[in-house]
Amino acid sequence: ETGVTQSPTHLIKTRGQQVTLRCSSQSGHNTVSWYQQALGQGPQFIFQYYREEENGRGNFPPRFSGLQFPNYSSELNVNALELDDSALYLCASSPQGGGRLSEQYFGPGTRLTVT
Amino acid sequence: QQQVKQSPQSLIVQKGGISIINCAYENTAFDYFPWYQQFPGKGPALLIAIRPDVSEKKEGRFTISFNKSAKQFSLHIMDSQPGDSATYFCAASMGNRDDKIIFGKGTRLHILP
Repeated sequence: ETGVTQSPTHLIKTRGQQVTLRCSSQSGHNTVSWYQQALGQGPQFIFQYYREEENGRGNFPPRFSGLQFPNYSSELNVNALELDDSALYLCASSPQGGGRLSEQYFGPGTRLTVT
Repeated sequence: QQQVKQSPQSLIVQKGGISIINCAYENTAFDYFPWYQQFPGKGPALLIAIRPDVSEKKEGRFTISFNKSAKQFSLHIMDSQPGDSATYFCAASMGNRDDKIIFGKGTRLHILP
């Protein structure tokens, strides 16, 4: 069974630029959630995708957007990057059905630095 | 308003001792309470989780104690080992109604060899 994978591992961008982060869900999982983890803080929920539709969103501005593909992989896009967007971006996937959507398994994350 | 409050912020325990991390929550609609372990440079790993219909769950050296009336829950790590040194997050979610996980701010645990 393959776990959650994310790419790239690290990324450096300039303020105002746009970035795309990628996530492959764990085998058998059809739900993907994205979180932002600032240094020394707990992860904060950005949004979740279920069967290619957004299924819940946290308190993040519209310049944070996402996609989920038919194979359940996902992308997180951030436009007009700000310095405060520097963080570890985590992707988590959940098993199908059975009331187990809360069992979220995290990938290693993408470390984004905005200068 | 922080929905899940975690303490202490950092903890030092002797090898073989018991590590205890406490959390409190406000929203009574939460019905799933996981604990995550995170090593530097890694994503959080699901350690153990509990639902409010039980007061305790044990998996190996890790035990969750849950007090529904007090809206508190805690993680106990028995026989703590240096390899347990990591940041631990308590969390809560409302399951199928709202699948986002609300995390505490984390506890940095250091086990002295």
